[in-house]
Amino acid sequence: QLVLTQSPSASASLGASVKLTCTLSSGHSSYAIAWHQQQPEKGPRYLMKLNSDGSHSKGDGIPDRFSGSSSGAERYLTISSLQSEDEADYYCQTWGTGIQGVFGTGTKVTVL
Amino acid sequence: EVQLVQSGAEVKKPGESLKISCKGSGYSFTSYWIGWVRQMPGKGLEWMGIIYPGDSDTRYSPSFQGQVTISADKSISTAYLQWSSLKASDTAMYYCARREVVAARLDIWGQGTMVTVSS
Repeated sequence: QLVLTQSPSASASLGASVKLTCTLSSGHSSYAIAWHQQQPEKGPRYLMKLNSDGSHSKGDGIPDRFSGSSSGAERYLTISSLQSEDEADYYCQTWGTGIQGVFGTGTKVTVL
Repeated sequence: EVQLVQSGAEVKKPGESLKISCKGSGYSFTSYWIGWVRQMPGKGLEWMGIIYPGDSDTRYSPSFQGQVTISADKSISTAYLQWSSLKASDTAMYYCARREVVAARLDIWGQGTMVTVSS
């Protein structure tokens, strides 16, 4: 079964970096994923698509301080130079058989 | 500007029917999939299903099959999510999102429609 696993929370100081992890379930390590950001009281926003080789394509207007990388079944989102507006929930997402969307449980990022 | 604009918030009673909408603009509506996502209060994102307005090919998540109906009217670039008999547990924010056919990015999101079901 295709499952995406995320830690519930992460935190870092203003101006520092934070690295979020999304882990694909066994047998799905080649899958691409996407990262989406949901700021408080707002709808989700597409950040980037991240392939298994670490290549990624960001959405329009996404700052350079958002980057992605991959290692095995793990997909990472790194936010550098953290800003207050980066405090949000971050969801990874992929596609199962038959164009079935699958979301991770989300990681809440707190900017200290 | 490419955007998805959803219909406004709804307050309904249990047992009532409802149809909410998602209107696409700024792109070829029939060339992208439109998906629907539920977010219950204080919870994460849940995939409901998706439709290709070009030919109305529709796929439902097993969790939502039979619970909702997804449709589209390509003549007015609008996708719909409907319930025939609402339950209190349908209270949630509902988002539509555009999916690219080839690259498969879920790249544009609607602003969301809040549905409240209460007696």
